[in-house]
This record gives sequence, C-alpha cells and structure tokens, in this order.
Amino acid sequence: GAVVSQHPSRVICKSGTSVKIECRSLDFQATTMFWYRQFPKQSLMLMATSNEGSKATYEQGVEKDKFLINHASLTLSTLTVTSAHPEDSSFYICSASRLAGIETQYFGPGTRLLVL
Amino acid sequence: AQSVTQLGSHVSVSEGALVLLRCNYSSSVPPYLFWYVQYPNQGLQLLLKYTSAATLVKGINGFEAEFKKSETSFHLTKPSAHMSDAAEYFCAVSDTGTASKLTFGTGTRLQVTL
Repeated sequence: GAVVSQHPSRVICKSGTSVKIECRSLDFQATTMFWYRQFPKQSLMLMATSNEGSKATYEQGVEKDKFLINHASLTLSTLTVTSAHPEDSSFYICSASRLAGIETQYFGPGTRLLVL
Repeated sequence: AQSVTQLGSHVSVSEGALVLLRCNYSSSVPPYLFWYVQYPNQGLQLLLKYTSAATLVKGINGFEAEFKKSETSFHLTKPSAHMSDAAEYFCAVSDTGTASKLTFGTGTRLQVTL
C-alpha cells in the first residue's frame, strides 16, 4: 500500500512554455502533499506543502507565481511550472502523507524536466 | 531549526562487509528521524523511521539504525552488504510540531564492490 505516482516521468519543453506535473496517491487519501526539487548529485529541497482544498505553503525563496500548486482532491496534486526556463530543469519529486504530524511521507518516482 | 549532517558523501564497501552510513541531527524538539534510499532516476523509498519508540529501529532489506540522543546520531547499518544495496541514502529529520515537514541531509552514495 501507500503508492504515489507521478506523470509524466520525463518531459522536455521549450523555454517560455508551461509544464504541468501530476502527483497521485493511488491507494490512500493524502491530506498533505509535498513538492521537492532535486538538482544533480544534491539533496531534496522542499518547495511547498499543500493541503487538500487550501492554498499551498511555499518555502522561502520559491516563487509561488512561477510554481503553481493545486491540491484539488485527496488523491491529486499538480505542480505547474509557468514560463519555464533552462534553470528550471531539475528532478521534481512529490510525496504524500495521510495525515499531518508523524505520518510517513510516501514518495513518487519523480519527474525529470528539461527546458531547452 | 532542524538540520541533518551526513558524514561522507561517498562510501565504498566490499560485498559482504559491514555498511555504516553516518547521520547526525540537530533539533530543538524531540525529533522523528528517517532513512530513505534512492535508486538512479527514481523517487525515495523509506528504509526505516524512528518515532520515539524503541531506539533500535529495524527496516527493510536488512538495514537498521540506532537513535542515540546523547550523540544526536542516527547511523544506518547493515551487517553484510549486497550489490543491490548500491544507491543514494538520505537521512531526514522531522519536527513533530510542523506537520511532517522533512529536512534532508545531503546524501551518501553507497558503492558495493566485489
């Protein structure tokens, strides 16, 4: 149990376009979802925390107008990278937890974004 | 503020040898601690977690970790390395008062040689 999927697994886009990444909890309802960014050979950096039905909470330094997060249901959160630029190229990973607090985060397989 | 330090960005062991990956944490409140493994181009898989119960935690794939409050450590061990253990390992800490928000260490790449 506790499977999280991401789609697409890999995306290449042109500079200036927008890209949407989906994160789904397949066999549980996720009260909270998290979005991370990972640069090559580096650790995961939390971008934002989203709770179903409310606005996402962004970490310091993350542009909320550039990285739009929607958590419309208990099984789906989306991250839209707007007007993508080459420096946005990265590995984006989502995670989901059933409850806030001590519940374990279950991670998706990640989405590799390459902006040309 | 929480932080995690993983000593050694790269560890190499022989197959069958002991695996020891080090993690030290800093937290102003009793922490929850986690070890995750990441295989190339994949997300993270939970190996084990400490949530204030037993200090010696057993996880999947034969890994275990011991929470030592006096040393602020949560080192990951496995008695006998297998080739399939080669991966990136991340230690993470959660402040129990902030809704599962995780702070990750910089990771340790484990190489297993014949």
